[in-house]
Formats: sequence, structure tokens, C-alpha cells
Amino acid sequence: KAGVTQTPRYLIKTRGQQVTLSCSPISGHRSVSWYQQTPGQGLQFLFEYFSETQRNKGNFPGRFSGRQFSNSRSEMNVSTLELGDSALYLCASSARGQTTDTQYFGPGTRLTVL
Amino acid sequence: AQTVTQSQPEMSVQEAETVTLSCTYDTSESNYYLFWYKQPPSRQMILVIRQEAYKQQNATENRFSVNFQKAAKSFSLKISDSQLGDTAMYFCAFMNRDDKIIFGKGTRLHILP
Repeated sequence: KAGVTQTPRYLIKTRGQQVTLSCSPISGHRSVSWYQQTPGQGLQFLFEYFSETQRNKGNFPGRFSGRQFSNSRSEMNVSTLELGDSALYLCASSARGQTTDTQYFGPGTRLTVL
Repeated sequence: AQTVTQSQPEMSVQEAETVTLSCTYDTSESNYYLFWYKQPPSRQMILVIRQEAYKQQNATENRFSVNFQKAAKSFSLKISDSQLGDTAMYFCAFMNRDDKIIFGKGTRLHILP
């Protein structure tokens, strides 16, 4: 089985722009979660999607949004980028998103905001 | 609010030694899950081990084991016979019934040849 894939792997944007990141889960997985990883704040949960519905959300401003398609692929959008949005964005998929499921992480998208 | 604290930002041990990574957490809930994740340099993060709070028995996965002390809210990871491939960032994580996961800041572990 192919693992979790994320595109693009690297992105450079300027302040005020918007960006869309993509995550393709492992085949058959219906839950996709997104995380932001920074040196200062560590790993923080952004949101989780299951069957095209946002099921959980972390403490991030509304500039961070996402969606999930019928094939379980997910996109994350950040509008009006700020310098502090520079981070590694990870997505993880699991079969059902339950705590007993193992999450499989993608390689991440490294976003740099200039 | 739940918090996860990893008090050791960085550690180094010699290959084949045993190392213990510390993790404490704070919660008022009685049922939850704890995890250790490993993020090798430039590689994907993977789950190392999982512990369910209602299980008293400490989880074990090959060379990796945990010491779960529920009353003390402590969840340490022990790596036996450490190998060079164990060099990575290790994250302790907590998940409650709401399925929101909270990570510690991580411990960077170096295994020295």
C-alpha cells in the first residue's frame, strides 16, 4: 500500500497570500488530520476530517480551513498568510479516526512565508 | 486544559545502552490514550507505542516499553539496546475522548556510535 502523500513538499509564499496544501491518505483510510509543526510551539493539532466532515478542530484562527473530498483526499487552506505561519504541515490518516486506530503520517509540506 | 510536558529537550546515549525519555501530562479525565511518536531526521513520523489509560499493564513493542504511572500522570518511554536508527525526535502525546491529540514539545535523542 502506498503511504500518505503530501503535495507540494516545499512552498515559499509572501505575507498576505493564500496557500492550499494537499494530502492523499492511505487507500481505504477515511480520517485525515492536519498538524502544524514549528520549533517554538512544537506539534499542534489543526483539524480532523472524516467522511468529508470536519469532526474536530484545534485552536487556530479561521484563516486555517480545510476540506475533504469523497475519495478521502484532503486539502488545507491558509488565507492571508503571516510570517508565523511558516512551519512544517503534517497530515496523518487513519482507518476510522478512532483512538484505537494507528495514525500514519505523511512527509509534510514545509511552508516558508517571507 | 490538558498539557503534555517533556522535560528533556535533548539527550545522547551510546549505542546498545538503555535510555528513558520522560513525559508527564495533566488531565482531569480518567479515560484517555497516550502515545509515543518517533520522527527520524527528514523522515516521516511513526507511532512507536500506545497505552490505554484503563489498562494497568505497561505497553511493550520489542525494544520499546513504557512506564505508565497513572496516579503520577507520568508516561516514560524506555528504549533498550539502543541502535543508531533510534536517533530521532520523540514526541509524547495525549488523546482524550474528544479525539483531540496534544503533543509534548519533543525530546531529540542522539544515539552515538
